[in-house]
Amino acid sequence: DTEVTQTPKHLVMGMTNKKSLKCEQHMGHRAMYWYKQKAKKPPELMFVYSYEKLSINESVPSRFSPECPNSSLLNLHLHALQPEDSALYLCASSQDRRGTGRHSNQPQHFGDGTRLSIL
Amino acid sequence: AQKITQTQPGMFVQEKEAVTLDCTYDTSDPSYGLFWYKQPSSGEMIFLIYQGSYDQQNATEGRYSLNFQKARKSANLVISASQLGDSAMYFCAMVGNTDKLIFGTGTRLQVFP
Repeated sequence: DTEVTQTPKHLVMGMTNKKSLKCEQHMGHRAMYWYKQKAKKPPELMFVYSYEKLSINESVPSRFSPECPNSSLLNLHLHALQPEDSALYLCASSQDRRGTGRHSNQPQHFGDGTRLSIL
Repeated sequence: AQKITQTQPGMFVQEKEAVTLDCTYDTSDPSYGLFWYKQPSSGEMIFLIYQGSYDQQNATEGRYSLNFQKARKSANLVISASQLGDSAMYFCAMVGNTDKLIFGTGTRLQVFP
């Protein structure tokens, strides 16, 4: 079992539905991430939260809306998705490197992912 | 810009043998970190090992070791005494002066009896 918990594990939704992916960690990490991974491809970064504030948005379409209610939770709200959005969505967390002035030497810890299918 | 290259789409190794998975990188950041992750078919990404650009010694974690050659910009993963459970996709990744973890395209390792 991983220390980062993602729910649901599988999600099938229509293009007009609204759903949310949830991610929770209790390791005291202050950086949290959303990745999208297509089959046989590496993960692609979508969003980064640092101390509950959005620090990086990799030009993700607005039909994906992230939210960080507190330091342990990260949500990804989905609305009007397209078939090409079908993928594995991975959440990760890590110690924040703020103030160190150097690269992060802390590994990101990933959840098991949510397999999303858009009909 | 940062780039990670994994040139081996797939590798085969016999159980109990050692295997090396290649990774080269490119970055202009003076300080950077290199990571290896394992992804079984179930999907979770499992952190294996980390090497910092200023580390003098190669990193080791159990059966995993990292052959870090800074001048060649390579960070190859060596798995000793392969086990059937090592069969998975392996990703090399890098982080520089941002919080962005950049992944290579991965190498699928298959361990056979």
